Amino acid sequence: GNSVTQMEGPVTLSEEAFLTINCTYTATGYPSLFWYVQYPGEGLQLLLKATKADDKGSNKGFEATYRKETTSFHLEKGSVQVSDSAVYFCALSDRPDQAGTALIFGKGTTLSVSS
Amino acid sequence: DTGVSQDPRHKITKRGQNVTFRCDPISEHNRLYWYRQTLGQGPEFLTYFQNEAQLEKSRLLSDRFSAERPKGSFSTLEIQRTEQGDSAMYLCASSLRLAGNEQFFGPGTRLTVL
Repeated sequence: GNSVTQMEGPVTLSEEAFLTINCTYTATGYPSLFWYVQYPGEGLQLLLKATKADDKGSNKGFEATYRKETTSFHLEKGSVQVSDSAVYFCALSDRPDQAGTALIFGKGTTLSVSS
Repeated sequence: DTGVSQDPRHKITKRGQNVTFRCDPISEHNRLYWYRQTLGQGPEFLTYFQNEAQLEKSRLLSDRFSAERPKGSFSTLEIQRTEQGDSAMYLCASSLRLAGNEQFFGPGTRLTVL
């Protein structure tokens, strides 16, 4: 079945370090891909998305490129801040052309940034 | 605040009791979803509504679970005869039909079954 695999955390970085959180997926067809972020005590927020191969999603300095050949959607940021400390979830929508499909999430990766 | 809201935020109950949670989606969103998230896991899909019609249910949604969206606005999720394994965060999300399935999540209801 369809699934999402994320690198296990926690990921601990110093402020201004480069971040990569790996995400690979298994899906039939052409899924849409998402990164959601969950800050402490808050609900899930959409960070960025990509709907077709080679699309790059970006937001708040974060980027991810939809790579169909490697079935990957790795999250990157060039210089992390303490305020980026959160749990990051990679997700896919396996029937984006149909109404109301469920999102399939990875297990989440906890990022902790220290000053 | 025009985001998705959920009530209550926390619920502690004894095994065997019934509980009901409420979700108010973003007002113009016609799609509403329920997910469950356990510790260390990502959210798992439970069920989905388009307007008042429940269109999809996960195998995770046992017979003890029932969800309604009677007027196509707010939704309720009821769990009957709760079990300790039902302890989790229950998340509600909503989306617009033509928005590429971008879902907006509420803060969740944390259920603890003693």
